[in-house]
Amino acid sequence: DAMVIQNPRYQVTQFGKPVTLSCSQTLNHNVMYWYQQKSSQAPKLLFHYYDKDFNNEADTPDNFQSRRPNTSFCFLDIRSPGLGDAAMYLCATSRALGGYGYTFGSGTRLTVV
Amino acid sequence: AQSVTQPDIHITVSEGASLELRCNYSYGATPYLFWYVQSPGQGLQLLLKYFSGDTLVQGIKGFEAEFKRSQSSFNLRKPSVHWSDAAEYFCAVVDQTGANNLFFGTGTRLTVIP
Repeated sequence: DAMVIQNPRYQVTQFGKPVTLSCSQTLNHNVMYWYQQKSSQAPKLLFHYYDKDFNNEADTPDNFQSRRPNTSFCFLDIRSPGLGDAAMYLCATSRALGGYGYTFGSGTRLTVV
Repeated sequence: AQSVTQPDIHITVSEGASLELRCNYSYGATPYLFWYVQSPGQGLQLLLKYFSGDTLVQGIKGFEAEFKRSQSSFNLRKPSVHWSDAAEYFCAVVDQTGANNLFFGTGTRLTVIP
């Protein structure tokens, strides 16, 4: 089945140690998104790629970066994780912008120790 | 920017009872609205969406939602709740004033009691 896969499901990293989260898709969608969801809060959009065009939300900290080497993969890099970055990170894809047919992965839960 | 508000943080209903989850939006024109469900530790699943046309939208798992422009609302309903419906429910809107990204409300946690 076509889907959005996030690896790993659970990630533990040390305070200040760079960490990378992975997302892959078999849907051939043009747009890939990263959302951060802290405990008992709504998902918050960090950034998205439309093809190779990167779009950062204005309030996304510089500590968060992203890479999309090809259509299928998108990575979230946290350069120096702090305790406040512990959250569920959700990847989503869509064929186009505008909310049409978002498909979400199951998420990666990040713990910072 | 457009936004949605979910006034109820937590709702508890008995199994078999009816359910209504509230969502209010802020946008002058016709918004693109969605309801998603999230089970613990899982990603988000789309229940239904409204872009235009019939204001009563049918979704999966027996859910429906009604768009009411006069009340700026898009409430989610289900006539008879099942224990498996216990989850977090998010209303979402596409921000048509910006980059057409999807933004979520703060969510309503549904507890179902026997």
